[in-house]
Amino acid sequence: AQSVTQLDSQVPVFEEAPVELRCNYSSSVSVYLFWYVQYPNQGLQLLLKYLSGSTLVKGINGFEAEFNKSQTSFHLRKPSVHISDTAEYFCAVKGARDDKIIFGKGTRLHILP
Amino acid sequence: EPEVTQTPSHQVTQMGQEVILRCVPISNHLYFYWYRQILGQKVEFLVSFYNNEISEKSEIFDDQFSVERPDGSNFTLKIRSTKLEDSAMYFCASGTLKATDTQYFGPGTRLTVL
Repeated sequence: AQSVTQLDSQVPVFEEAPVELRCNYSSSVSVYLFWYVQYPNQGLQLLLKYLSGSTLVKGINGFEAEFNKSQTSFHLRKPSVHISDTAEYFCAVKGARDDKIIFGKGTRLHILP
Repeated sequence: EPEVTQTPSHQVTQMGQEVILRCVPISNHLYFYWYRQILGQKVEFLVSFYNNEISEKSEIFDDQFSVERPDGSNFTLKIRSTKLEDSAMYFCASGTLKATDTQYFGPGTRLTVL
C-alpha cells in the first residue's frame, strides 16, 4: 500500500518569494507521483506528474518538483510566487498497477502582500 | 479545452434518501473514477469504472453505493440511503489510459445530508 505525507498544513510566503511545499511518500512498489492544485471553489487541477526519467519535473504556472527516490520525497517548488497561487496543493501517489490515486492531506499556500 | 463536468454543484438531502450525482467525463476517455473529500480530510478514492464494470473499489464503496454509465456520455454515482457521514465533496474524474494517464477531475458536487 502507498501513503503520502505532506508535512505542512499551511505555508505563508511573501509575494515574489520562493516557496517549497514538502511531500514524502511510502510504497513497496513502483509509483507515479503527482501534484494537484485546488483553487477556491474549484476542482482539482494537475500541476505536474512524475512517471519516469528525469527526476526534475516542470509543470504549469512555473512550478517544478524533484523526485528523490532515496529520500522518498517529491517536493514542489516555485522560485517566485504570485497572489494568484493562493490555493491548496495536494501531493498524490499512484501504484503503477493501481487505478486509485492516494492523496496527501494538502498544504494551504497563503501569499502575503 | 475539454473538461469534466458535474451536476449539481450542491445537493442537500435528508438522511435515508437516495441521491444520484452526475458526471460528464471527457468524451474520448475510457476510465472513470469517483473520489470524495469529507470536510477537513483527505481526498479518498471510491471506485474506478472501465468497460461498463467496476475495475477497483475501496472499502468505503459498500452496498449503499453504485455506479453506472447509463448512456455514452454520463457517469453516475448513486447512494441508496444516505447517512450523515456521507456529507462530503464528491469528485468525478476520467482518463484515457489506466496506468500512466492523468486523471482529470471535475469541479465536484457538495453533498449535504441533514
